[in-house]
Amino acid sequence: GAGVSQSPRYKVTKRGQDVTLRCDPISSHATLYWYQQALGQGPEFLTYFNYEAQPDKSGLPSDRFSAERPEGSISTLTIQRTEQRDSAMYRCASSFSPTRLNTGELFFGEGSRLTVL
Amino acid sequence: DQQVKQNSPSLSVQEGRISILNCDYTNSMFDYFLWYKKYPAEGPTFLISISSIKDKNEDGRFTVFLNKSAKHLSLHIVPSQPGDSAVYFCAAGGTSYGKLTFGQGTILTVHP
Repeated sequence: GAGVSQSPRYKVTKRGQDVTLRCDPISSHATLYWYQQALGQGPEFLTYFNYEAQPDKSGLPSDRFSAERPEGSISTLTIQRTEQRDSAMYRCASSFSPTRLNTGELFFGEGSRLTVL
Repeated sequence: DQQVKQNSPSLSVQEGRISILNCDYTNSMFDYFLWYKKYPAEGPTFLISISSIKDKNEDGRFTVFLNKSAKHLSLHIVPSQPGDSAVYFCAAGGTSYGKLTFGQGTILTVHP
């Protein structure tokens, strides 16, 4: 697609429920990133994919968080047994490749705002 | 620990004047730095970057300065325009392949 697309834009869920967020990156981009952004803070790295490989998931806060990119394009971020502290904006970004990252070629989607009640 | 810090939550500037946004970092392993700009209800968009081998990079009205000894970088916008009003995030990379570390952001307001 022309830009990074995320869905849903807004998700309200009850504590204990599972949620899945979806990201459709720019079609020519090999690399896809997930970031978590709390209110008033900058984005924090969760994980990234190079095609379908997931070289780094060091930022995932707990084993309740998982991400997939099975065919190297669309990715999902799943949070199991949600807790109130999971409430945040979840941002997906893509880039042509990790080696181009130092030129700033990281394109963000509009984000999915998750609220856990 | 906050490895990238933007200590000014907000900045207000008159149109036509210079805007200076500051960023400090603690990790000496960072080797490239970026500024992103974010409008409400949109994702951050890339503005300008600088490699650690340089001390200045300029792109039109935007200039980024890097002082490695002080672990400090700044973004200068000259002249400032009302359309520059946005949240500006400083980010750093180089410690882990594919990962950027962001600051908290500075809200810039440019008054006509």
